[in-house]
Amino acid sequence: NAGVMQNPRHLVRRRGQEARLRCSPMKGHSHVYWYRQLPEEGLKFMVYLQKENIIDESGMPKERFSAEFPKEGPSILRIQQVVRGDSAAYFCASQWGENQPQHFGDGTRLSIL
Amino acid sequence: GQQLNQSPQSMFIQEGEDVSMNCTSSSIFNTWLWYKQEPGEGPVLLIALYKAGELTSNGRLTAQFGITRKDSFLNISASIPSDVGIYFCAGRNTGNQFYFGTGTSLTVIP
Repeated sequence: NAGVMQNPRHLVRRRGQEARLRCSPMKGHSHVYWYRQLPEEGLKFMVYLQKENIIDESGMPKERFSAEFPKEGPSILRIQQVVRGDSAAYFCASQWGENQPQHFGDGTRLSIL
Repeated sequence: GQQLNQSPQSMFIQEGEDVSMNCTSSSIFNTWLWYKQEPGEGPVLLIALYKAGELTSNGRLTAQFGITRKDSFLNISASIPSDVGIYFCAGRNTGNQFYFGTGTSLTVIP
């Protein structure tokens, strides 16, 4: 997983608070994906971004969730007014270009009290 | 979203045995990928396949891109304890969207 950096690794929030998850892609990678994983389950696609653009957000709930990948800085996945059901591991993956494989970070484990 | 059918769901094998797992889809893909995930970590890319019929090896791992472009398999020869983990397949379509299998949990008994 060298290169794709996610932080924080663990995040604890109380219900109603906001959670911000950050992802710095591998150097030179301009495509970023966010996934959600529940224990003992596979990866569920949330959103696909290129620099400053959201390409596909079909897997992301329309309320409370948003994502961005600004020209400068990391990609951010933001969850407002968190609820217990938001508890999961959130993974970011980056890609150099289309037809290239994705490389994953080590994830952020979000726990909602 | 689309989910790939991955089997078996779990495997318990003796050290030294060979392992085989596969993924099927109702849609065709342009790329098939295989990942391994260990507890507390993100998936690590093992093998990437780009053409129908392609057979690629990475050490003791061999994977093939099915000729129908709707399936792929991964074989692990002479398993060792450090092969333990969850293996995921993933397919990429023409829209550069990735879909993941449900995972195969591998346990290797020394």
